[in-house]
Amino acid sequence: SQQGEEDPQALSIQEGENATMNCSYKTSINNLQWYRQNSGRGLVHLILIRSNEREKHSGRLRVTLDTSKKSSSLLITASRAADTASYFCATDTGGFKTIFGAGTRLFVKA
Amino acid sequence: ETGVTQSPTHLIKTRGQQVTLRCSSQSGHNTVSWYQQALGQGPQFIFQYYREEENGRGNFPPRFSGLQFPNYSSELNVNALELDDSALYLCASSLGTGVYGYTFGSGTRLTVV
Repeated sequence: SQQGEEDPQALSIQEGENATMNCSYKTSINNLQWYRQNSGRGLVHLILIRSNEREKHSGRLRVTLDTSKKSSSLLITASRAADTASYFCATDTGGFKTIFGAGTRLFVKA
Repeated sequence: ETGVTQSPTHLIKTRGQQVTLRCSSQSGHNTVSWYQQALGQGPQFIFQYYREEENGRGNFPPRFSGLQFPNYSSELNVNALELDDSALYLCASSLGTGVYGYTFGSGTRLTVV
């Protein structure tokens, strides 16, 4: 079963708009990571947020974490056509494996 | 600094055959994890190798096996291939068990016919 579940499954927006993706998980975590995947190729690490952190920024990306609700969100501001990709959250529960959700497919229209 | 390299990029095999996929980890990383990603799904954890030992395993049968070498590169072997093994196989390297995140390769697309 998936530890992380992204919402929505798919998102279509216009270039310049903001895109928000959510991730919910079931068990306590050490950290939560967001990855991007283009066209079914390798995943690119975007941001890692630790369980004692509430918000992190990286360029146009903002990630929040609410451990009481077991949820995280990824905000992409001023989206570009090049942001079109699948976005995955992944949770590290302190063991040997990081568990991925099923992803949100983002399509940014030029 | 080199990233993670996987070979081959594409592979077509017949049901019942065996396959070996290869991964060179990023410089400075000592841990390699393998994931299987079916079309439209998220990556599913197969196993992880740390310092040449299997460090943990997901819900995959024993016909999925692996190795890690002293230079931290790794192989994934799959015996008795089944049609459902068709997927993108991703290798990810990390320093330790991934508390700093993972660096992924571009994957090997395996098609079983």
